[in-house]
Amino acid sequence: AQKVTQAQTEISVVEKEDVTLDCVYETRDTTYYLFWYKQPPSGELVFLIRRNSFDEQNEISGRYSWNFQKSTSSFNFTITASQVVDSAVYFCALWETSYDKVIFGPGTSLSVIP
Amino acid sequence: GAVVSQHPSWVICKSGTSVKIECRSLDFQATTMFWYRQFPKQSLMLMATSNEGSKATYEQGVEKDKFLINHASLTLSTLTVTSAHPEDSSFYICSAEISGRLAGGDVIGNEQFFGPGTRLTVL
Repeated sequence: AQKVTQAQTEISVVEKEDVTLDCVYETRDTTYYLFWYKQPPSGELVFLIRRNSFDEQNEISGRYSWNFQKSTSSFNFTITASQVVDSAVYFCALWETSYDKVIFGPGTSLSVIP
Repeated sequence: GAVVSQHPSWVICKSGTSVKIECRSLDFQATTMFWYRQFPKQSLMLMATSNEGSKATYEQGVEKDKFLINHASLTLSTLTVTSAHPEDSSFYICSAEISGRLAGGDVIGNEQFFGPGTRLTVL
């Protein structure tokens, strides 16, 4: 079973629109970490956020916000007022402490059209 | 923040040759490093976990004799693709792990830092 699901394979939005990228995870661990990474065309992963399983507070960083809901095993990522530079592939990832390895979701390719 | 470098950033080689990729943690020591492979338009897939001074742990389906991993020091891990073939062409990414500890010794969670990747093309 896929441990990290990103149901949206590709999303296109017009600049300045808000967009939410979904992430649903599966784990039996009580202690785990969730991540979001951005991968622009250059290929280098850009770390966006790390959240542990005991911290359900939502977080906002500039135009980025994250909604962590343990009840639904989701860790969704919203970009407000999207910009062309936001165009990239975004990966959600899960780190289960019992396995000590990061499992990446399939990624969502976001295209922001000017 | 912690920096991880990879060398080379890209490499083109002929089929049948071996290619070595280096992963270095520049300003911290990493007892554990990870190697990932990413095919075009796909996600990162963990290939192996490399612990300093011991044998690497390979994920299911990854040939350990083909992908040789050496983690001889706390700042360097190498991945050697032996007898490379066109199907080995991929983007290889390493990451290095820092163990987070408070002054009292409690683990506060590990951090993983990714290298910029190495694009391998086998002709």
